[in-house]
Amino acid sequence: SQQGEEDPQALSIQEGENATMNCSYKTSINNLQWYRQNSGRGLVHLILIRSNEREKHSGRLRVTLDTSKKSSSLLITASRAADTASYFCATGANSKLTFGKGITLSVRP
Amino acid sequence: DTAVSQTPKYLVTQMGNDKSIKCEQNLGHDTMYWYKQDSKKFLKIMFSYNNKELIINETVPNRFSPKSPDKAHLNLHINSLELGDSAVYFCASSFKGSQPQHFGDGTRLSIL
Repeated sequence: SQQGEEDPQALSIQEGENATMNCSYKTSINNLQWYRQNSGRGLVHLILIRSNEREKHSGRLRVTLDTSKKSSSLLITASRAADTASYFCATGANSKLTFGKGITLSVRP
Repeated sequence: DTAVSQTPKYLVTQMGNDKSIKCEQNLGHDTMYWYKQDSKKFLKIMFSYNNKELIINETVPNRFSPKSPDKAHLNLHINSLELGDSAVYFCASSFKGSQPQHFGDGTRLSIL
């Protein structure tokens, strides 16, 4: 069964705006990770947040984790056209990652 | 200096054929994976090897057989290809545990 569920499924914003993507999951996790996939390419790891962490930053990325609600959010600030991609959350447990369906982000120049 | 490389990038073949996809990583990772991504971009784990030992074997038809000759290589052989096998297959590697994974650029398999 699928673990991560992202929403929205698709997001279109103007360059410079912030993009917020959400992920919900069902079972206990060791960590939660976010990945980006550009068209025709493999997934690229963006950020990992452990189950005992609540917030993490990396450059223009901010990730939060609420284990009581089994949810996470990824915020991309000051978006750029190059941020156009699909974004996936993945929950890590028992040496295995389970990916959500992904969110398609389009950033209009 | 590609970290995870898989070949071929494109594979077009007829139903019933047997084909192989190769994957190599130069990151020194001890764990490698095969994923299948369908047309809706859903990514599903198929297999994982740690130091040449199979550690994850999801519900995959036995027409799919992975092989890891050493910890830097993981190949996937598919027998009697079916239309439903059309997808993008990704190889990935990491250190053992739920660690960040590095992905290849995928093999796009199309069954005619």
